[in-house]
Amino acid sequence: GQQLNQSPQSMFIQEGEDVSMNCTSSSIFNTWLWYKQEPGEGPVLLIALYKAGELTSNGRLTAQFGITRKDSFLNISASIPSDVGIYFCAGLYAGKSTFGDGTTLTVKP
Amino acid sequence: GAVVSQHPSRVICKSGTSVKIECRSLDFQATTMFWYRQFPKQSLMLMATSNEGSKATYEQGVEKDKFLINHASLTLSTLTVTSAHPEDSSFYICSARKETYEQYFGPGTRLTVT
Repeated sequence: GQQLNQSPQSMFIQEGEDVSMNCTSSSIFNTWLWYKQEPGEGPVLLIALYKAGELTSNGRLTAQFGITRKDSFLNISASIPSDVGIYFCAGLYAGKSTFGDGTTLTVKP
Repeated sequence: GAVVSQHPSRVICKSGTSVKIECRSLDFQATTMFWYRQFPKQSLMLMATSNEGSKATYEQGVEKDKFLINHASLTLSTLTVTSAHPEDSSFYICSARKETYEQYFGPGTRLTVT
């Protein structure tokens, strides 16, 4: 089946720094989704990408759908303490979703 | 928006009893819903895909007789953990899929079996 490699697995950064994480696969996807999960909560959809090459922003978050359709990245600019959580990518193809293992972000004030 | 609710948010039950968790899509219809299990500091583990009006599709290693799934309507899916044991204690999360294929997650249910 399809698999996603999400990296890094965890990040420890200082408040104000920029963050970058990505997901790669050997398979192509038609849609990429990025979620954030806070402790004790379900994941919340942050950004959805529908076309190869698409670059979409949501506040301080920016995500891109890789041109090869096999990867996507998420950037967070000027991180703040409330950005902490687990970020998941998900690739969709033929109605099936494949999730990455998540990137755990810790932001030090 | 797309809102998915789960009930209860927390439940404690005794070993051997059954527990039902409800998942509802509040502002859209979902022909497909998913049930996940998540252990502390780990990723989402897909348990089963719930399709309205038909039997659920279970992932390999998930006991269908233990985790009963019913997708009774386009807005409601239920997961019943039968004869619960302490090892079933976990965080259970449902999601509902829109026609555009985005999945929206519920807030999760923390199950503790004593």
